[in-house]
Amino acid sequence: KAGVTQTPRYLIKTRGQQVTLSCSPISGHRSVSWYQQTPGQGLQFLFEYFSETQRNKGNFPGRFSGRQFSNSRSEMNVSTLELGDSALYLCASSLVSGVYEQYFGPGTRLTVT
Amino acid sequence: AQKVTQAQTEISVVEKEDVTLDCVYETRDTTYYLFWYKQPPSGELVFLIRRNSFDEQNEISGRYSWNFQKSTSSFNFTITASQVVDSAVYFCALTETGANSKLTFGKGITLSVRP
Repeated sequence: KAGVTQTPRYLIKTRGQQVTLSCSPISGHRSVSWYQQTPGQGLQFLFEYFSETQRNKGNFPGRFSGRQFSNSRSEMNVSTLELGDSALYLCASSLVSGVYEQYFGPGTRLTVT
Repeated sequence: AQKVTQAQTEISVVEKEDVTLDCVYETRDTTYYLFWYKQPPSGELVFLIRRNSFDEQNEISGRYSWNFQKSTSSFNFTITASQVVDSAVYFCALTETGANSKLTFGKGITLSVRP
């Protein structure tokens, strides 16, 4: 079974721009979660989508948004990029929402200059 | 609110040594789930184990073992006879149950295994 895939793997953007990251979950998985990983803050939960609905959201400003499509693929968008948004963005999928183990993709490394 | 503390930040051992990675958690729920993940230099988090709050049995998988103690709110991870390939960042994580459950990670422990 193919794992979680994320595109692009690397991205360089300028302050003020917006960016869209994509995640394809493991086949059959309906829950997709997004995390931001930085050296200072560690791994922080952004949001989770299940059956095209946002189920839960972390403590991030409204500039961070996401969506999930009917095939469970998910995108996250960050508008008006700030330098502090530079991070590794990880996507994880699980069979259903809630307490099941999550399987992570390789991440998208976003650099904001 | 749920919280995971991994007090050790970096551990360095020589190959074949045993090493224990500590994890202490806080939660108000009586039902919750604990996890360990490994993040090798390649960056992709790898799932290692999931344990629910009602199952305090220790688990062993090859050179890996986990000790879950509710009395001390700890879920420690031991690698026996460590190998260079075990070098990675290890994260402990917790999720409560309920509509707003989310996975909360500790800060991670960087393990270096020297030949």
